Amino acid sequence: SYVLTQAPSVSVAPGETARITCGGDNVGSKNVHWYQQKSGQAPVLVIHYDDDRPSGIPARFSGFNSGNAATLIITRVEAGDEADYYCQVWDSRSDQRYVFGPGTKVTVL
Amino acid sequence: EVQLVESGGGFVEPGGSLRLSCAASGFTFSSDAMNWVRRTPGKGLEWLSYISSSSNTIYYADSVKGRFTISRDNAKNSLYLQMSSLRAEDTALYYCARPGPRLYDLDSWGQGTLVTVSS
Repeated sequence: SYVLTQAPSVSVAPGETARITCGGDNVGSKNVHWYQQKSGQAPVLVIHYDDDRPSGIPARFSGFNSGNAATLIITRVEAGDEADYYCQVWDSRSDQRYVFGPGTKVTVL
Repeated sequence: EVQLVESGGGFVEPGGSLRLSCAASGFTFSSDAMNWVRRTPGKGLEWLSYISSSSNTIYYADSVKGRFTISRDNAKNSLYLQMSSLRAEDTALYYCARPGPRLYDLDSWGQGTLVTVSS
């Protein structure tokens, strides 16, 4: 089945830009979706279809997908952005339909 | 507003069984596919199972195939996960999640119900 990789953690200062990368074999040919999960809360979809923001998600969140890596970019990071971030793709070639990356913990310094 | 409320979690011994429920409201449940996803401390989010709106199409993750059974009752706006032969590694927070219109993402999630498998 398809495998996604993510760095375990990223640290960023308030006001700076966080970049969270999701690796996968030719992941640029797939649609990548990103979820934010804060401590004690349900996951929230923050980017879908590589670079599209669902309603209500701030414009500080953006995405990019090409080649073997997709990236979630958070500009002007705030303390409230501290969370686990997961990438996800739909694997049409197997029954393991929704494939998640292992997650990246974003710490705001 | 879409609302998904899970219930049925609890403490169970290895080898035991548990049935989770997800009550849906705020959308036409009978028209939408649904999923179960869990979060474990060690593995993060893990998709478990998918069921189409009419229950005609069902998928399972390899980790739960043969042990878990997904089902739904559209008349009751409810989704279920029957879990058997539970293992310690099944300890997790279990979420029901609704796919987006194109099915490829999960745009609505419940708050989860905790399952603890331990002797």
